[in-house]
Amino acid sequence: EIVMTQTPLSLPVTPGEPASISCSSSQSLLDSDDGNTYLDWYLQKPGQSPHLLIYKVSYRASGIPDRFSGSGSGTHFTLKITRVEAEDVGVFYCMQRIKFPFTFGQGTRLEIK
Amino acid sequence: EVQLVESGGGLVKPGGSVRLSCAGFGFTFSSYTFNWVRQAPGKGLEWVSSISSSGIFKYYADSVKGRFSISRDEANSSLFLQMNSLRAEDTAVYYCARDYPFSSVSGDYYYGMDVWGQGTTVTVSS
Repeated sequence: EIVMTQTPLSLPVTPGEPASISCSSSQSLLDSDDGNTYLDWYLQKPGQSPHLLIYKVSYRASGIPDRFSGSGSGTHFTLKITRVEAEDVGVFYCMQRIKFPFTFGQGTRLEIK
Repeated sequence: EVQLVESGGGLVKPGGSVRLSCAGFGFTFSSYTFNWVRQAPGKGLEWVSSISSSGIFKYYADSVKGRFSISRDEANSSLFLQMNSLRAEDTAVYYCARDYPFSSVSGDYYYGMDVWGQGTTVTVSS
């Protein structure tokens, strides 16, 4: 099973400031057959179901503001928020889906200072 | 409105069984792959199972293999998770999630879980 590791696990941020979350995988998430890298980001806001933020490393899902961006390759990935807003509070998860079982990172809890 | 609605959770004794349902609304259910993802109290997300649009291909986490069974009913736009031999560690909120095929320039598809249900809680306790 591919192990996903996120840092930090807790992220206090002042509104308007940037934030960054790292995610690493125990194996490369690049599929050499199709050239895709199978890494997604999800956000679970308090009391809500998770929702898709970023798919295939860097593609924003529908309705996701452009202050969210994803980058990375191989085994190292980053989610960045250019200017954190109060509504961004929640737990961010990276997830690999290059092979079953799909696995999530432990989650990074973003809180507002 | 596109939505998924889970049901069937509750309190179950260790060793018991329960069947979760997930009804899809506002889209062509038969066109999509679906997943079950769970979240134990105060913990993170754990993928449990996936089923292809045809229903032929099914995948399970090692932790549930041989005990859980995923299935679907196209006529009723429903997804199911039959959970047997339940253990205390199966206590969790269970979410169903749709896999959406995002198209790419190359012509292939990349799948992401774009719609999630509200979750249904399963508590395994004597």
